[in-house]
Amino acid sequence: IQMTQSPSTLSASVGDTVTITCRASQSISPWLAWYQQRPGKAPKLLISKASILESGVPSRFSGGGSGPELTLTISSLQPDDFATYYCQQYYAFPITFGQGTRLESK
Amino acid sequence: EVQLVETGGGLIQPGESLRLSCAASGFDVSTNYVSWVRQAPGKGLEWVSVLYSSGPTYYGDAVRGRYTISRDNSKNTVYLQMTGLRVEDTAVYYCAGKWPFEYWGQGTLVTVSS
Repeated sequence: IQMTQSPSTLSASVGDTVTITCRASQSISPWLAWYQQRPGKAPKLLISKASILESGVPSRFSGGGSGPELTLTISSLQPDDFATYYCQQYYAFPITFGQGTRLESK
Repeated sequence: EVQLVETGGGLIQPGESLRLSCAASGFDVSTNYVSWVRQAPGKGLEWVSVLYSSGPTYYGDAVRGRYTISRDNSKNTVYLQMTGLRVEDTAVYYCAGKWPFEYWGQGTLVTVSS
């Protein structure tokens, strides 16, 4: 299953709301996860089953969408949120990730 | 607190073999799924393999037939045996626990180069 993530780079400011989209080559809902990765660090699981926020993850992160097109929305961006984000389908093997979205400060 | 610690990375020549270890604490590898995920320098994440708690194993297309995932319950450790290594296998290798990947190690760098 191919995962097409867009955009590849996103420029935004503190306080903005941004949305990252992941389109799967077939329906995978709800078997989608979102990860945040900071430079030099391991990824961190933010959302599982498309919309379930992991424990300790701020509520400004939310997952949505349906079918093959799923989204990660970050409301009221904080300085800590500038990182790279990946979607991952775990509906079928091989497990596949999107190519990543680098969220940078404008 | 859950900790996953990968070891075993290093510089290796094409065609050679290497075994990575993922030692867990606060997390029982015998009752959980454990995966390996890799990240080539400057690139995205690539899933490599998973070992189910019940025993089945699955592999990504790029490594199937060359890599083997296994575990030692007495050591609470999961291994990734890598054979026939190629330059394109160069990456940081992470082990990840649960499904999807809730727990991650810090990663170990494998460099395949002549």
